[in-house]
Amino acid sequence: NAGVTQTPKFQVLKTGQSMTLQCAQDMNHEYMSWYRQDPGMGLRLIHYSVGAGITDQGEVPNGYNVSRSTTEDFPLRLLSAAPSQTSVYFCASSYSGTHIGTDTQYFGPGTRLTVL
Amino acid sequence: KQEVTQIPAALSVPEGENLVLNCSFTDSAIYNLQWFRQDPGKGLTSLLLIQSSQREQTSGRLNASLDKSSGRSTLYIAASQPGDSATYLCAVVPNTGNQFYFGTGTSLTVIP
Repeated sequence: NAGVTQTPKFQVLKTGQSMTLQCAQDMNHEYMSWYRQDPGMGLRLIHYSVGAGITDQGEVPNGYNVSRSTTEDFPLRLLSAAPSQTSVYFCASSYSGTHIGTDTQYFGPGTRLTVL
Repeated sequence: KQEVTQIPAALSVPEGENLVLNCSFTDSAIYNLQWFRQDPGKGLTSLLLIQSSQREQTSGRLNASLDKSSGRSTLYIAASQPGDSATYLCAVVPNTGNQFYFGTGTSLTVIP
């Protein structure tokens, strides 16, 4: 198993540009999520999904869109990049969509995004 | 809203020392608590998962305890090694809702 994969590893954008961060898992996990990690702030949840076709907002959803058309993929779209979105983005998944507390969370390696 | 705090933010110890990392949370209505390790420039790796009905979990040199009523968890690392150098994060899942709440982590350096 490749686990949780994320592309790209690094990205530089200009203010106002849009882009999609890719996340995929090959473990047949129901639950997938996106976090951003900022110095001194810890990881904060952006959006999550408990199964194909089902998404919900986390703590900091503004400026981001997600969709889940397949079990494997959970892309994160930045609609109009702003310097405040400079961060490291992590995708995570776990087996159960019923309650994430029952299973180990698996994290991808992260995407380091800089918005100029 | 659940707040998770980890103190200290950084810790430096000589090799071989036993050490304790602390995690506190404000709302005791949690489903579970997990401890993660993060190496520089990498993602997080789950170390231990403690369900709310459990008091502790052990894996090798690691032991995590949970006291829900006081809103505290500790991660005990025995006989520390330089390879243990990393940032350790704790996260809680509330009884309701479907997200983790993370602490800001403790950066551990084990000096050879």
